[in-house]
Amino acid sequence: QVQLQESGPGLVKPSETLSLTCTVSGGSVSSATYYWSWIRQPPGRGLEWIGYIYYGGRATSNPSLRSRVTISLDASKNQFSLKLTSVTAADTAVYYCGRMDVWGQGTTVTVSS
Amino acid sequence: DVVMTQSPLSLAVTLGQSASISCTSSQSLVYSDGNTFLNWFQQRPGQSPRRLLYKVSNRDSGVPDRFSGTGSGTDFTLKISRVEAEDVGVYYCMQGTHWPWTFGQGTKLEIK
Repeated sequence: QVQLQESGPGLVKPSETLSLTCTVSGGSVSSATYYWSWIRQPPGRGLEWIGYIYYGGRATSNPSLRSRVTISLDASKNQFSLKLTSVTAADTAVYYCGRMDVWGQGTTVTVSS
Repeated sequence: DVVMTQSPLSLAVTLGQSASISCTSSQSLVYSDGNTFLNWFQQRPGQSPRRLLYKVSNRDSGVPDRFSGTGSGTDFTLKISRVEAEDVGVYYCMQGTHWPWTFGQGTKLEIK
């Protein structure tokens, strides 16, 4: 059974870069069948799709995040990653990695000085 | 962006009764290949989202047949028959037809 686990700093300073990694077990990120995705949920609010990547394809990110998002995939480590630059308090959220039918447990990222 | 509008935003149901959640999209969700990429997610308190249904009415593995989905075009419904205590949480519709994929605001289901 596929499992995903997010990892990364829980606290990021304003204007800095948020970096998260998703480690996949029980499945392969090299499968072109799936869109490996990131979504987030600000405190007490709903869900927002950040972007996705699939093996052999390029990443696609939500236009609302403009050019701040980079999603990459490392097949040798069976991981994919998210970088979000120039963060503000509005980026404080629980970040989830997943592939639509399976999601990680989420990691809380707080943007604060 | 496609706006997904759910109603009601909260719902209190007696155990064993049924619940229905409506979801309306601002554009048709029929993709160029004929598929309709409308999903339903459940988020139990303190947990990550879990997809229940995909392409309107297809249940994911392990999802009880108490959960069913109907609809087409811009109007969709999630029905939960014989509500159980474990169904408490927030339900989201989500469209995967138009990028960026978008979620509804969520419907909070409680037990009366």
